[in-house]
Amino acid sequence: EAQVTQNPRYLITVTGKKLTVTCSQNMNHEYMSWYRQDPGLGLRQIYYSMNVEVTDKGDVPEGYKVSRKEKRNFPLILESPSPNQTSLYFCASSTIPGQSGYTFGSGTRLTVV
Amino acid sequence: RKEVEQDPGPFNVPEGATVAFNCTYSNSASQSFFWYRQDCRKEPKLLMSVYSSGNEDGRFTAQLNRASQYISLLIRDSKLSDSATYLCVVTPFSGGYNKLIFGAGTRLAVHP
Repeated sequence: EAQVTQNPRYLITVTGKKLTVTCSQNMNHEYMSWYRQDPGLGLRQIYYSMNVEVTDKGDVPEGYKVSRKEKRNFPLILESPSPNQTSLYFCASSTIPGQSGYTFGSGTRLTVV
Repeated sequence: RKEVEQDPGPFNVPEGATVAFNCTYSNSASQSFFWYRQDCRKEPKLLMSVYSSGNEDGRFTAQLNRASQYISLLIRDSKLSDSATYLCVVTPFSGGYNKLIFGAGTRLAVHP
């Protein structure tokens, strides 16, 4: 089944404790992206990648890192999480987003206390 | 001004009703347009693309008005299962073809 898999689905952590949210897609898509979703603000792009070893900042990149060492994986790293990073996070992948839109993972609900 | 604006709703309608959502976008050079559906606490899923000539998929019709910079989604014969949040999505030319800009969504509640 074609899908984008994120883990974990839920995570509660403490301020400053590094964490990684994994994302993997099995569709051989070149484009991958991370979004966060907050009430009233919609989905905002954190980082995106157009191919292996090619990543760039989205609209809200502060406090996040990503890497794209393999085509299928695009982990999101929070080196020192803070409470304002409490949010619902979605990983997404696509062939060409402007043509076909994104396929999203199931989401990761992160709470930083 | 937000790049993509939607009425947050909620729209409360009875089964069988016809309901329409509008969405406005600020970048006149925007290239591609979509409607996504998002169920509570779930991931957004592509509902349909929006083409310049308008397009229909069953009970759903999408329209684009480039002159006024808005897109619309019409749902006919609403079902209980249509209850969800509908996200308007735009690809801005200046942001590159990789970027999708999402509206905050319009919530629809269909009741018996």
